[in-house]
Amino acid sequence: AQSVTQLGSHVSVSEGALVLLRCNYSSSVPPYLFWYVQYPNQGLQLLLKYTSAATLVKGINGFEAEFKKSETSFHLTKPSAHMSDAAEYFCAVTNRDDKIIFGKGTRLHILP
Amino acid sequence: DGGITQSPKYLFRKEGQNVTLSCEQNLNHDAMYWYRQDPGQGLRLIYYSQIVNDFQKGDIAEGYSVSREKKESFPLTVTSAQKNPTAFYLCAAGSTNTGELFFGEGSRLTVL
Repeated sequence: AQSVTQLGSHVSVSEGALVLLRCNYSSSVPPYLFWYVQYPNQGLQLLLKYTSAATLVKGINGFEAEFKKSETSFHLTKPSAHMSDAAEYFCAVTNRDDKIIFGKGTRLHILP
Repeated sequence: DGGITQSPKYLFRKEGQNVTLSCEQNLNHDAMYWYRQDPGQGLRLIYYSQIVNDFQKGDIAEGYSVSREKKESFPLTVTSAQKNPTAFYLCAAGSTNTGELFFGEGSRLTVL
């Protein structure tokens, strides 16, 4: 069975500081992994995805994530936070055979 | 415009009434999904369909029903059997090969 755990339901960083949102997964087969972003009262948008190619994945808006098999992690980072990054972020996993499993989400707050 | 269209965006209903949420896609994806989102609980899968005229229950299907008569359409009915229907509902479509989902803007249902 697959599962996703996001550490921290709320994360606050200062504008210009490093953003680090944590995601750990479990999967019985090599997974596909995703990060999605959701702005208030909107649907989710794909930030980036890992599909077994390069382990360091670059996405939109300056975000990137690194797949670490030994740690079963797929943490999301951005070197310098911007006010517009304030949103909720979801990590997701699939084994491609069936449904996609989402984490509970992490709300990112940017402090001026 | 291409994408996923959900309607209505906001909906109010009285207890005991059924309500149907519309979801239409023009992305030509085989798979479509309905998720329910509550604060702090992430996205929970209600129903999904990987092909026309076939669908499967997700994790919280009780009190909901769906149909998939056309590839483009996947309506969700929230029945009076759903004990706590007030929530934000998200429809998505995607490829089972890539696992990537495209989301609609969501429908917010409030039961009065």
